[in-house]
Amino acid sequence: NAGVTQTPKFRILKIGQSMTLQCTQDMNHNYMYWYRQDPGMGLKLIYYSVGAGITDKGEVPNGYNVSRSTTEDFPLRLELAAPSQTSVYFCASSTSGTQYFGPGTRLLVL
Amino acid sequence: TQLLEQSPQFLSIQEGENLTVYCNSSSVFSSLQWYRQEPGEGPVLLVTVVTGGEVKKLKRLTFQFGDARKDSSLHITAAQPGDTGLYLCAGEDNTDKLIFGTGTRLQVFP
Repeated sequence: NAGVTQTPKFRILKIGQSMTLQCTQDMNHNYMYWYRQDPGMGLKLIYYSVGAGITDKGEVPNGYNVSRSTTEDFPLRLELAAPSQTSVYFCASSTSGTQYFGPGTRLLVL
Repeated sequence: TQLLEQSPQFLSIQEGENLTVYCNSSSVFSSLQWYRQEPGEGPVLLVTVVTGGEVKKLKRLTFQFGDARKDSSLHITAAQPGDTGLYLCAGEDNTDKLIFGTGTRLQVFP
């Protein structure tokens, strides 16, 4: 199993550009999450999903959108990038209360 | 909003020393998890504690959940350079989501 994979690893965006962060898991987990982690800090929940077709907002959803058309994939969309969205983004999936994290996508908005 | 405060924020010690990291909240959690995160990677689960007063050991690491399930501690005995990393506590709230702590960055020098 590859676990949770994320692409791209690193991206630089200009203010106002849009992009999609990809997340795929091959563990057949129903629950998936998107977090952001600012330098030296813990993780803040952006959006989560309890299964295909179901998504809900976390603590910091503004400026982001998600979709969950399949169990495996949970992409995160930034429509109008802002410097405040410079961060490292982690996707996770979970079963029985244990979350498994991807390696992260480092995003720089200039 | 539930908050988890970790202390200390930073810890720099010599190999062989002992240390304790604290995770405190005014909220009750159904369980508490500890993660370690290395640079450029996602967090990896170390342990989950569920019962108030519970103590779990993982080699040189000892985890304790407070009696009231509002706080936790991580004690490392005879720290090794391989213990270097960011330690995150995370409380499971009543909607099964994780609230992450602010993190403790540990550096162990040979």
